Amino acid sequence: GDSVTQMEGPVTLSEEAFLTINCTYTATGYPSLFWYVQYPGEGLQLLLKATKADDKGSNKGFEATYRKETTSFHLEKGSVQVSDSAVYFCALTQEGAQKLVFGQGTRLTINP
Amino acid sequence: GAGVSQSPSNKVTEKGKDVELRCDPISGHTALYWYRQSLGQGLEFLIYFQGNSAPDKSGLPSDRFSAERTGGSVSTLTIQRTQQEDSAVYLCASSQAFGSSYEQYFGPGTRLTVT
Repeated sequence: GDSVTQMEGPVTLSEEAFLTINCTYTATGYPSLFWYVQYPGEGLQLLLKATKADDKGSNKGFEATYRKETTSFHLEKGSVQVSDSAVYFCALTQEGAQKLVFGQGTRLTINP
Repeated sequence: GAGVSQSPSNKVTEKGKDVELRCDPISGHTALYWYRQSLGQGLEFLIYFQGNSAPDKSGLPSDRFSAERTGGSVSTLTIQRTQQEDSAVYLCASSQAFGSSYEQYFGPGTRLTVT
């Protein structure tokens, strides 16, 4: 079945550091790919998405590119802030299906 | 506008008791989903409803779990004869319509603890 694998956490960085959170997937066909974020005490919210190969999703300074050749959707940000501290989830949905398949989540802590 | 709301926010119950969890989706959203977030299993899909179509129950872990959606709006997830492994945060989400291009908006969740 479909699955998503994220880099192990937790990840701790200093403010203004460069961030990469790796995400790879296993799926047939052409899934849509997502990054969701869960800030402390808040619900899950969509950060960005890409629906076809080579698409780049971006939001709040975060970017991720849908790479079909490497089945990856790595999340990057050039300069992180303390407010980016959260748990990040990579996810996919299959064509014609609605359920989100999530990775295990990566807890990110940014120190001032 | 109002987001997805869930109640109760926390529920502690004894093993063997039945529990009901409620979800109020965003007004006008035709699709509604239930997920479970637990330490051992991560975030996993349980069930979704789309309009008047038959629900996709493929993620329900056992026949102790059931859900209904009345009038195309409010949904209730029922767990019968709760077990300790049912302890988790139960998340509800809704979206405008069917299709991966429609964002799923999540509620704050119900934390269920089975003692």
